[in-house]
Amino acid sequence: DQQVKQNSPSLSVQEGRISILNCDYTNSMFDYFLWYKKYPAEGPTFLISISSIKDKNEDGRFTVFLNKSAKHLSLHIVPSQPGDSAVYFCAASALVTDKLIFGTGTRLQVFP
Amino acid sequence: SQTIHQWPATLVQPVGSPLSLECTVEGTSNPNLYWYRQAAGRGLQLLFYSVGIGQISSEVPQNLSASRPQDRQFILSSKKLLLSDSGFYLCAWSVNSLVGYTFGSGTRLTVV
Repeated sequence: DQQVKQNSPSLSVQEGRISILNCDYTNSMFDYFLWYKKYPAEGPTFLISISSIKDKNEDGRFTVFLNKSAKHLSLHIVPSQPGDSAVYFCAASALVTDKLIFGTGTRLQVFP
Repeated sequence: SQTIHQWPATLVQPVGSPLSLECTVEGTSNPNLYWYRQAAGRGLQLLFYSVGIGQISSEVPQNLSASRPQDRQFILSSKKLLLSDSGFYLCAWSVNSLVGYTFGSGTRLTVV
């Protein structure tokens, strides 16, 4: 049972435009959400996070939005750059368990 | 500063052979340690996690086992590899999920 889902396996965006990556979750106990970025043959690196007490968190070109009622979060990248091309994973945690559950990933390609 | 080491980077093993992947963390004490596997279309699947020496929790039934003989050492093993064990294995550590996980560089395992 996939508790964290990323329904778009891939996304292609032109440089300078906005990239929107989506993530849905099913477990209402999740109260902390993170996005990771992964290049081929490397470990994922932390990008941005949000706790369930917020609905938005911004860090430079990256903004994460959380809609708790819809159990949905999204990552916005503005403006997109070719170096953003990677696989993006969303992850969720119920802090009492201290485990991160990852989604299946979305491969973002930013073309010139 | 904290660092995480994972080796080997790539491994090709025949079916039925044993496996031992090692992960060590430096610069922190009593970390939570995790083994994840990235398989095609499956995202990052949590295999094992450990909150202390000798304490191992298994997330999914499988052909693999994990051990934590020392505070900052986490080992993933198998007595007899299956073709389905092929994948990209990632070790990670955290203090708690609020600060996210730090991943190693991964091991690409191909079982032939």
